[in-house]
Amino acid sequence: QQQVKQSPQSLIVQKGGISIINCAYENTAFDYFPWYQQFPGKGPALLIAIRPDVSEKKEGRFTISFNKSAKQFSLHIMDSQPGDSATYFCAATPSNTGKLIFGQGTTLQVKP
Amino acid sequence: NAGVTQTPKFQVLKTGQSMTLQCAQDMNHNSMYWYRQDPGMGLRLIYYSASEGTTDKGEVPNGYNVSRLNKREFSLRLESAAPSQTSVYFCASSDIAGITQTQYFGPGTRLLVL
Repeated sequence: QQQVKQSPQSLIVQKGGISIINCAYENTAFDYFPWYQQFPGKGPALLIAIRPDVSEKKEGRFTISFNKSAKQFSLHIMDSQPGDSATYFCAATPSNTGKLIFGQGTTLQVKP
Repeated sequence: NAGVTQTPKFQVLKTGQSMTLQCAQDMNHNSMYWYRQDPGMGLRLIYYSASEGTTDKGEVPNGYNVSRLNKREFSLRLESAAPSQTSVYFCASSDIAGITQTQYFGPGTRLLVL
């Protein structure tokens, strides 16, 4: 039972383009939604996170859009750069449990 | 600060052998976690420890045991390794009582079970 579904599995974007990764969840008890970025051979690192009391959060070129009624959230990477090439994971958890449920991951390649 | 450290970095086991994966954090976090990462599966929680002295099962606990040795250290033990346990194992820590719930991950242990 996959509680957090992520798509696409892989994504190729030209430098300067917009990368969009989507996630959907089922458990209405989830109230913390982070995105993690992972480079080859490294552990994941927090990129940006959102709580459901806001519909959007922006940090630099990275934006999370959140649709509570549809139980969906997405990561937008504006002006994508080759250095953004990595695997991205969405996740969700009920608040203060720490029990992150991860999506399957999206491998992003940004071509120069 | 080293953050979260894991040993070993890489290990090859034969089916039936046992081993312990070590994890330590120097951020004074209360909570620690063990995940496994498999292609196309994302990261799946094996066990976690909300605070020193407590442990609880995650999504995929079968075949594993854990010990929260003290606030800094959280080990994962495979008693009788199986090929299905070939994976990359990540330890993480967090301060879930804080404003953010950021989990900080170690560099991973790559385990191959033959």
